[in-house]
Amino acid sequence: EIVMTQSPATLSVSPGERATLSCRASQSVNSNLAWYQQKPGQAPRLLICGASTRATGIPARFSGSGSGTDFTLTISSLQSEDSAVYYCQQYNTWPSYAFGQGTKLEI
Amino acid sequence: EVQLVESGGGLVQPGGSLRISCAASGFTFSTYSMDWVRQAPGKGLEWVSYISSNSVTNYIDSVRGRFSISRDNAKNSLYLQMDSLRDEDAAVYYCVREVNRGCFDYWGQGTAVTVSS
Repeated sequence: EIVMTQSPATLSVSPGERATLSCRASQSVNSNLAWYQQKPGQAPRLLICGASTRATGIPARFSGSGSGTDFTLTISSLQSEDSAVYYCQQYNTWPSYAFGQGTKLEI
Repeated sequence: EVQLVESGGGLVQPGGSLRISCAASGFTFSTYSMDWVRQAPGKGLEWVSYISSNSVTNYIDSVRGRFSISRDNAKNSLYLQMDSLRDEDAAVYYCVREVNRGCFDYWGQGTAVTVSS
């Protein structure tokens, strides 16, 4: 079983600054990693697939990087609307998947 | 426009059963794998079950043998039959479309399942 660990649990950043969110896998997931954004009362939204490929309609200020066990979601030029919980998800063990516990981003 | 609309959630006693559904539209449902993902109140996301376009299935260990995922491609519908429900199964259940062998690109609004006596 692959365990996904996200850090930090909560991140407070000022508008216009950059946020860096981390996700670590307990064993290699290659580049089979996705990132999601969930705002209160809403369903999650896919941001990144394949560790670094933005989903349709996702602004370029969202970027993903990493491979193997260590991954990063970077959000540049933060806006108030970016306040949300962000989850990583591994799918290397298709068709069995695991999410991280989430990082709450406060702007 | 892709739409996933869940229904069938509600209150059920521990040990009881419930069947939730998802109506899909705006895409060729029969060609996509689909999944159920749940979120307990105030908690994170948990993948529950997978079904391929030709009905190969998989489950998280905690629900294997109690839950059954199915699909009706003629009706563009996805189902989750949940038996022997436990307190820890209480959650909002999301119907999701899968792409690229594991990314969830569209989510429904969710249906809430409450397990309580």
